[in-house]
Amino acid sequence: QVQLEQSGAEVKMPGASVHVSCKASGYTFTDYYIHWVRQAPGQGLEWMGWINPSSGATLYAQKFQSRVTVTRDATIRTASMQLNRLASGDTAVYYCARTTYDLLTGFYLDSWGQGTLVTVSS
Amino acid sequence: DIQMTQSPSSLSASVGDRVTITCRASQGISNFVAWFQQKPGKAPKSLIYGSSTLRSGVPSRFTGSGSGTDFTLIINSLQPEDFASYYCQQYKTYPWTFGQGTKVAIK
Repeated sequence: QVQLEQSGAEVKMPGASVHVSCKASGYTFTDYYIHWVRQAPGQGLEWMGWINPSSGATLYAQKFQSRVTVTRDATIRTASMQLNRLASGDTAVYYCARTTYDLLTGFYLDSWGQGTLVTVSS
Repeated sequence: DIQMTQSPSSLSASVGDRVTITCRASQGISNFVAWFQQKPGKAPKSLIYGSSTLRSGVPSRFTGSGSGTDFTLIINSLQPEDFASYYCQQYKTYPWTFGQGTKVAIK
């Protein structure tokens, strides 16, 4: 079955960078885009961007454009998200999620990783 | 960005009740809407895509409908495992955006 296994929780100082990985299994990694979504404590969901694991092409939300980089290593079926210049407002659970294509309604999120808690604190 | 206004933000219901959650988009998005269920400490789970198509394995008591700007998630005969938070999401235009969520609690 489809599984997305994320790296463990991180605690970072303000101004630092964080790297979160997402290892896929149960499907052909290069056939499905990987998206990143975050959720601050007690808050809703916020979309950050995606990567095409086949080509490496990326698209980011403008809010994160200057601070986020999503990469992939197809040889180890892993996508990664790096967020720079962390601030307390970046404290959140970060999820990777896969999209599946439907002929009638396009790409939609179907499977999610378990989430990675990133805490930014001095 | 497209705003997704979800209501109510919370509700209390009993097992067996019918629950209705609505989501309004700030502009027309055809049927590019998905619904997710999230339990505390867990990742969201995909329930519905294309406004009304149930994901495989999702119970038929969940129904989605709507097109354009107004969308609805109905849970018929609420079950104990349905107490959770629910989110709508539009995937018509980037950046993808989510509703603020609806917490369904036990009355």
